[in-house]
Amino acid sequence: EVQLVESGGGLVQPGRSLRLSCAASGFTFDDYAMHWVRQAPGKGLEWVSGISWNSGSIGYADSVKGRFTISRDNAKNSLYLQMNSLRAEDTALYYCARRLTTSSNFDYWGQGTLVTVSS
Amino acid sequence: NFMLTQPHSVSESPGKTVTISCTRSSGSIASNYVQWYQQRPGSSPTTVIYEDNQRPSGVPDRFSGSIDSSSNSASLTISGLKTEDEADYYCQSYDSSNHEVFGGGTKLTVL
Repeated sequence: EVQLVESGGGLVQPGRSLRLSCAASGFTFDDYAMHWVRQAPGKGLEWVSGISWNSGSIGYADSVKGRFTISRDNAKNSLYLQMNSLRAEDTALYYCARRLTTSSNFDYWGQGTLVTVSS
Repeated sequence: NFMLTQPHSVSESPGKTVTISCTRSSGSIASNYVQWYQQRPGSSPTTVIYEDNQRPSGVPDRFSGSIDSSSNSASLTISGLKTEDEADYYCQSYDSSNHEVFGGGTKLTVL
């Protein structure tokens, strides 16, 4: 069974840092690019960042570029998002999602981890 | 980067057909595949259409997707509406610089 389990969310003050993790199981992790997508409370989906299977290609949304860093460890079947200089507008449910290297479809999503940025 | 614009909400009666549009602001809609995701309250998104018009296994054939180059838009059509189809629907595509783009989402009400 495919599983993507996010962790690391919580309440953090503006300007501080947080590291999210996504543990993958039930599939060959390095067959897939991995992405972070967030959803602010009551709002729509916003793509945050993506990383290719071998970390050779990485992209960020303009809203997080320079503050967030995506990484993966294929030996541990894990995806990470280091979030620095957090702002109130980063408050959201953060999903990790997989995408087969040869596809454009996010075919499986985790349940998300909630990040709240507030003083 | 481009934007994908969807209607904020649509509503229709059970048994009827509804179409949700997704208009690309710049560049050709045909340049990159479009996906459609369904998100029910409290749940993660799931794919209902991928690569413009492909249905994942398990998605009923009441769901169909298309693109229209003349209007530079993609469409999701749901026929034979059921109350269980009530959800938020998002279109998604990408550009050549590894950036993904989601539409703002459309709330479908089946009443």
